[in-house]
Amino acid sequence: GIQVEQSPPDLILQEGANSTLRCNFSDSVNNLQWFHQNPWGQLINLFYIPSGTKQNGRLSATTVATERYSLLYISSSQTTDSGVYFCAVGDTNKLIFGTGTLLAVQP
Amino acid sequence: ETGVTQTPRHLVMGMTNKKSLKCEQHLGHNAMYWYKQSAKKPLELMFVYSLEERVENNSVPSRFSPECPNSSHLFLHLHTLQPEDSALYLCASSQTGAGGYTFGSGTRLTVV
Repeated sequence: GIQVEQSPPDLILQEGANSTLRCNFSDSVNNLQWFHQNPWGQLINLFYIPSGTKQNGRLSATTVATERYSLLYISSSQTTDSGVYFCAVGDTNKLIFGTGTLLAVQP
Repeated sequence: ETGVTQTPRHLVMGMTNKKSLKCEQHLGHNAMYWYKQSAKKPLELMFVYSLEERVENNSVPSRFSPECPNSSHLFLHLHTLQPEDSALYLCASSQTGAGGYTFGSGTRLTVV
């Protein structure tokens, strides 16, 4: 099956800093999504991005499908950005999750 | 209500009990999913329903039994669970081929 690797596994930032999270996957996919899981367990969909670049406020994402990776950029980080960021890849009805990046933003 | 609603939020059950988890989506999506999230493990896909038909059963033990009576409702019936089944159970929905998944808040299950 598809393998999904995320890096780094853990990240500590000072408020206001920028960061880049990476997702590598082992096979071609037609579905790639980024999620944020808050400390209470709620998973929020950030981007549906099987290819190309999207931006939403301080967050942006880029997927290079031919090279099998995706990047999530967080700019001017805030304490509310803390939590786990998951990349998930697959086809229409089967999404496989990576192990996530645990982000802690300190004031 | 909008989004995906899961009930109950927390559940403690004995190994001989029978219980059900409920998921309801108000987004008009045509696919629904059950995922399991255990400590220190990635989210695991359990079941997929598309247009009310089960299209994926990811080698899940028979003590977990899904039911999808219509496109808005999804249940997970539980019986004779084991302590290792304790986890966060997440429901999600999507519109096939048209965008991202929307997750519910999950049910935190503890089997004693």
